[in-house]
Amino acid sequence: EIVLTQSPEFQSVTPKEKVTITCRASQSIGSSLHWYQQKPDQSPKVLIKYASQSISGVPSRFSGSGSGTDFTLTINSLEAEDAATYYCHQSSSFPYSFGQGTKLEIK
Amino acid sequence: EVKLVESGGGLVQPGGSLRLSCAASGFTFSSYWMTWVRQAPGKGLEWVANIKEDGSKKYYVDSVKGRFTISRDNAKNSLYLQMNSLRAEDTAVYYCARDSGSLDWGQGTLVTVSS
Repeated sequence: EIVLTQSPEFQSVTPKEKVTITCRASQSIGSSLHWYQQKPDQSPKVLIKYASQSISGVPSRFSGSGSGTDFTLTINSLEAEDAATYYCHQSSSFPYSFGQGTKLEIK
Repeated sequence: EVKLVESGGGLVQPGGSLRLSCAASGFTFSSYWMTWVRQAPGKGLEWVANIKEDGSKKYYVDSVKGRFTISRDNAKNSLYLQMNSLRAEDTAVYYCARDSGSLDWGQGTLVTVSS
């Protein structure tokens, strides 16, 4: 079973700041790592697939990098609407797993 | 546009059963693995089960093995989750998702297990 560990679990940030969220896998998962954004009372929405592939309709300030066991979600020039919880997810092998989430608060 | 609409949630007593449904549209349903993910109140996401395009392979999280059954009807573009022997810890919003590696999500249906 692959465990995903996200850090930080909570971050309070100001608009226009750059944010970096990391996700570490307990074993190598290649590039089978995806990032989601979940706002209160909404279902999750995919931001980045396969570690670094962009998604149509997602603002370009969201980017991803990494492979193997270490992955990063970067949000450049944070906007107020980015207040949400962010999750990583691995689809390398069953059972699929999610990170515990990173809650971003906008100051 | 991918559209996934879950139904069948509600209040059930411990030990009871419930069947969730997910109606899919906007894509070729029979060409995709499908997934159930749940989220307990105020908690993170937990993968529950996956089913192959033709239903020939199914995978479950350990905590639901032997109690939950995932199935699909490609003729009806529908995904199901039969939940038996429900426990309080199964209380959650259950999401149906299309699996193309990353997941495309429905809006979820709430299951509450309580006496």
